[in-house]
Amino acid sequence: DGGITQSPKYLFRKEGQNVTLSCEQNLNHDAMYWYRQDPGQGLRLIYYSQIVNDFQKGDIAEGYSVSREKKESFPLTVTSAQKNPTAFYLCARGPPGGDSRTDTQYFGPGTRLTVL
Amino acid sequence: DQQVKQNSPSLSVQEGRISILNCDYTNSMFDYFLWYKKYPAEGPTFLISISSIKDKNEDGRFTVFLNKSAKHLSLHIVPSQPGDSAVYFCAASARGKTALIFGKGTTLSVSS
Repeated sequence: DGGITQSPKYLFRKEGQNVTLSCEQNLNHDAMYWYRQDPGQGLRLIYYSQIVNDFQKGDIAEGYSVSREKKESFPLTVTSAQKNPTAFYLCARGPPGGDSRTDTQYFGPGTRLTVL
Repeated sequence: DQQVKQNSPSLSVQEGRISILNCDYTNSMFDYFLWYKKYPAEGPTFLISISSIKDKNEDGRFTVFLNKSAKHLSLHIVPSQPGDSAVYFCAASARGKTALIFGKGTTLSVSS
């Protein structure tokens, strides 16, 4: 699982409800990321965080929010403002601290969110 | 505007033959490239990467080639195995930038 745990695997919500997706890492890495994958599309960056209490918007941040209160946790909230929330959500961690210039990201197993 | 393009949505290869997956990029600032393999309903798995200071990197059956002048990279899988059937994503990053930019993926089918 690349040291990343995502739960649950499948999630169903009614339209108009906020929902929070969990992402936990156990390798003490600083950088964490949230991506979204839609059918026939590549992965698109939603938010990322390089350090605790700091995060940056990615390409498609509208309708999403995140927090980074602890190094090991980076939850993603899909709000009712997200127009098309049904997708496969992937959390990733960055390289171990001290690595040379390598941007390899390692992904968790993903959460399939379906909004009914 | 797609900065990383995988123009072939799918590729079919027979077991034992070579699979060649292609990727083109437009941003000349990209200096690190990666290939990921993804099965349905699972997270992508890192396969192999290459820095722009190299033109080839090899890891077992997987070799990535980088042609900077053409802004093109390719992943060669030799020999191909049925277990290689998956979606392959090409990704790139630029120095000083955190995010990876992904292509849309190529679905590889290896038949026995």
